[in-house]
Amino acid sequence: RKEVEQDPGPFNVPEGATVAFNCTYSNSASQSFFWYRQDCRKEPKLLMSVYSSGNEDGRFTAQLNRASQYISLLIRDSKLSDSATYLCVVNGITGGGNKLTFGTGTQLKVEL
Amino acid sequence: NAGVTQTPKFRVLKTGQSMTLLCAQDMNHEYMYWYRQDPGMGLRLIHYSVGEGTTAKGEVPDGYNVSRLKKQNFLLGLESAAPSQTSVYFCASSYSAGPQHFGDGTRLSIL
Repeated sequence: RKEVEQDPGPFNVPEGATVAFNCTYSNSASQSFFWYRQDCRKEPKLLMSVYSSGNEDGRFTAQLNRASQYISLLIRDSKLSDSATYLCVVNGITGGGNKLTFGTGTQLKVEL
Repeated sequence: NAGVTQTPKFRVLKTGQSMTLLCAQDMNHEYMYWYRQDPGMGLRLIHYSVGEGTTAKGEVPDGYNVSRLKKQNFLLGLESAAPSQTSVYFCASSYSAGPQHFGDGTRLSIL
């Protein structure tokens, strides 16, 4: 089983739609969680951290379910500019430090 | 407002050649990382460093070496390039437990 698993998509949605991505992780000792966004041929950029109580940033809402070991990202009122690949990232602190494990990403295409 | 800077941006090598990729960060981060990203695969950690003078192996370290002589710089070396090392390489840096900040990548092709 992969450490971090995501549905690769693509998710094709019309502008204005609500879309949700899920991600599962295998290491129950994982301590922190993030969503990154990666545009084609660009570097990953932090979208938001994911907190146990859930958190919202504008049109984006992230949720964490530790019992089921999954993380979700909800995007409301999708914009064309939201088209990108969304990476689920899990941090397991090891003796060597801050080890992030990246999912392979879910591709989102927002269409007119 | 540089953040993490990688040089070069693109490079084409012949099999067996050597080269060094440079990563520089101006955020005073302790931790630095080198990843590679291949189509259909997630980012894979090659080597990382938790401080000046220290390095450690990541998930795919074979064929690569690194050095962290100064806190702000992290070098990735390919001693004898192989076609399997054709990839996009990303450097990142962070505080100890925080999210990582990435450079804009080096696209490396090995013929």
